[in-house]
Amino acid sequence: GAVVSQHPSRVICKSGTSVKIECRSLDFQATTMFWYRQFPKKSLMLMATSNEGSKATYEQGVEKDKFLINHASLTLSTLTVTSAHPEDSSFYICSANPGTSGSNEQFFGPGTRLTVL
Amino acid sequence: AQSVTQLGSHVSVSEGALVLLRCNYSSSVPPYLFWYVQYPNQGLQLLLKYTSAATLVKGINGFEAEFKKSETSFHLTKPSAHMSDAAEYFCAVSDGSGGYQKVTFGIGTKLQVIP
Repeated sequence: GAVVSQHPSRVICKSGTSVKIECRSLDFQATTMFWYRQFPKKSLMLMATSNEGSKATYEQGVEKDKFLINHASLTLSTLTVTSAHPEDSSFYICSANPGTSGSNEQFFGPGTRLTVL
Repeated sequence: AQSVTQLGSHVSVSEGALVLLRCNYSSSVPPYLFWYVQYPNQGLQLLLKYTSAATLVKGINGFEAEFKKSETSFHLTKPSAHMSDAAEYFCAVSDGSGGYQKVTFGIGTKLQVIP
């Protein structure tokens, strides 16, 4: 149980376009999901906490107008990278907590590799 | 505030040798501690977790970790390395106040297994 999926797994886009990444909890409901960004050979950086039915909470230094998060349902959160530029190229990973493990354990999606040309 | 320090961004071991990946944490409350493994271009997979039960935690793939409060450590070990263990390993901490709390990750340790 506790499976999280992401779509697409890989996307290549031109500079200036917007890209939407979906994160789904397949077998549980998640009122909160997390979005991370991972730079090459670096750790995961928490970008924002996605809250179902309310605004996302962004970490310091993350542009909320650049990275739009929508948590429309208990099983889906989306991250839209607006007006993407090459420096936005990265590996984006989402996670969710089913709330039943009692340990704050996060279940991670497989990640989305974004390449901006 | 919580933080994690992983000593050694790269660790090389021979196949069959002991694997030891070091992790020290800082937390103002009793923590939850995790070890995750990441294979290239994939998400993170949980190896094991400490949740204030037994201090010696056994995980998947023969890995285990011991929580030592006096040393604020949670080192990951495996008695005999296998080629398939080559991957990036992340130690993580989350405070124990419940709810959907943030998880803070270490910088990661890349494990290389030499045949």
